[in-house]
This record gives sequence, C-alpha cells and structure tokens, in this order.
Amino acid sequence: AQTVTQSQPEMSVQEAETVTLSCTYDTSESDYYLFWYKQPPSRQMILVIRQEAYKQQNATENRFSVNFQKAAKSFSLKISDSQLGDAAMYFCAYRSSSLVMNYGGSQGNLIFGKGTKLSVKP
Amino acid sequence: DAGVIQSPRHEVTEMGQEVTLRCKPISGHNSLFWYRQTMMRGLELLIYFNNNVPIDDSGMPEDRFSAKMPNASFSTLKIQPSEPRDSAVYFCASTLEGYGYTFGSGTRLTVV
Repeated sequence: AQTVTQSQPEMSVQEAETVTLSCTYDTSESDYYLFWYKQPPSRQMILVIRQEAYKQQNATENRFSVNFQKAAKSFSLKISDSQLGDAAMYFCAYRSSSLVMNYGGSQGNLIFGKGTKLSVKP
Repeated sequence: DAGVIQSPRHEVTEMGQEVTLRCKPISGHNSLFWYRQTMMRGLELLIYFNNNVPIDDSGMPEDRFSAKMPNASFSTLKIQPSEPRDSAVYFCASTLEGYGYTFGSGTRLTVV
C-alpha cells in the first residue's frame, strides 16, 4: 500500500522569505500523481499544485514550485516570497494513475500525509 | 459552478442520535469521496463512489456508518447511533477521472 510522509509537523518563515516543505512517499508503481493542498483556518481544501510522475519537469504555479525527485520518492514544495496569506496547513497527497475501470469511473483515491502547519511571521 | 456543496457546516448532536451529512458534487464529475479529518489520524478515506456506485467502503469505521448516492448530484453519509469518537470534520470531494479534485467546505461534527 502507498504511504505519504510529511516529517515536519510545523514550519515557520519570515514574510517575503522562501520556505520548503518536505514530503516523501512509498509506492511500487511507476506512474502516479502527486498533489499539494493548502488548508487555511477556514478549513477549505485548496489545490496548490499537481505533478504527474511521468513528467520530469517540476510543476510551477506562480510563487509555488515543487522539487520532484522520482528515484528518491521525494516531492517537496517551495514557497517563494512568502505572504501572510500563505499561513495554513499543507498536505501532500498521492494518487495512483492506474485506471481501474469500475462502473465507468476510475480508482482515484487520494492518500494524504499528516500535514505541515506553516506560520508566516510579519 | 458553485463547487462541491456540503451541509450542514456545523452539527452538534447528542450521543445516540442519528446524524446525516449531505453533499452535492460538481455537475459532470463522476467520482465522489467522503473523507474524515481528525487531529490524531489526519485525513482518511471513508468511502468513494464511481457513477453513483460504491467502489471502496473499507474505510467506513463500522456498521454505524452508511453512505448512499441515489443520483449523480447528491450523496449522504449517515451515522446511527452517533458516538463522541465520531467528532471530526467530514469532507466530501468530487472529481472527473481523478485529475482534479474539488473539496467541499466540510462539516464539523461534534457529538456530546
């Protein structure tokens, strides 16, 4: 079974600085998707960034980028120019890309890490 | 689209009572997931549906929990009878073929 590990329960960063959140995963599959979700105090789960394992290029979304190391099974999130609004819980998630067709759909459960609480200091 | 809609946002109930959580997925999405979030266990999958059919309910804690999806636009998660250890935030999420997942705002359940 696949597992996702976030080894940093809490992190802190100064406003405008850069911070990196760590995520490692365990899988025997060669193709899969990886995600970072943000959960602010409002508890809404917001997709930050998504990476397909077959793509070597690291995904980027504005100030958010990932360092995807497939051989090491590592998927870290870098937040540049941190803003106060970035303060939240961040969850790393894994999803198998194998499409097991069940009643016309796909087996697409997300497996989450335990999360990292990010604080941003003004 | 209004996104995934969950109701109620908060629910406080007494132990032993029946609780029903509701979810309306995004129109056109063919998979729906129910997750539970607690401090101790994080986000756990309870059950998911493809095209309204339950595919994997191995995460449902026990027989007190049941979920239905009578049509493509509505799902319920029922707990009967409720217990204090069921207190958690329950999320519903939907997706089309698992590429992008959209979560609802969650229901915070407190069982006293």
